Amino acid sequence: GAGVSQTPSNKVTEKGKYVELRCDPISGHTALYWYRQSLGQGPEFLIYFQGTGAADDSGLPNDRFFAVRPEGSVSTLKIQRTERGDSAVYLCASSLTEAGHGYTFGSGTRLTVV
Amino acid sequence: TQLLEQSPQFLSIQEGENLTVYCNSSSVFSSLQWYRQEPGEGPVLLVTVVTGGEVKKLKRLTFQFGDARKDSSLHITAAQPGDTGLYLCAFSGAGSYQLTFGKGTKLSVIP
Repeated sequence: GAGVSQTPSNKVTEKGKYVELRCDPISGHTALYWYRQSLGQGPEFLIYFQGTGAADDSGLPNDRFFAVRPEGSVSTLKIQRTERGDSAVYLCASSLTEAGHGYTFGSGTRLTVV
Repeated sequence: TQLLEQSPQFLSIQEGENLTVYCNSSSVFSSLQWYRQEPGEGPVLLVTVVTGGEVKKLKRLTFQFGDARKDSSLHITAAQPGDTGLYLCAFSGAGSYQLTFGKGTKLSVIP
């Protein structure tokens, strides 16, 4: 597609439930990133993929968070046992190179845990 | 930890006015990017600056990278309501893929 696509755009879930957030990057972009943006804050890095492998997952807050990119294209961010503090906008971005010189972001998934 | 401070946090101005927003750090950047984010959307890249003292212009927007590469500014001339949004600066280290963002400046341009 022309841009980075994220689904769903909004997700409301109950505390303790499991959620999956999907990201479809720009075709041909090998680098894919997940960021989380809380209200009134800038985006914070979660995880970076180069191809199919997670090159850096140092930003994942704890082991309830996991992400995959099995075929080097679409990525899924998975959150187990959701907590109210997980409520935020989850942004996905992709780029042609891994140098971080300018990403294209998707519109994000707004996750609300009630 | 290298942190980015953006100022002001909030700015509300009348259409036609000029404004400047700032991005500062105590450490040196290898490169710095400016993004604009509108409600319900992801950030959109405006510019990347890599050279100390560099000035880049994008229509009515002028971006400056400090000589010491520790600070940057964004100046908007004759602001329009379409300029309303959250302006974020972000840096990446040399050869790094990870961006660190400031909290942003929320700009409102009143018609």
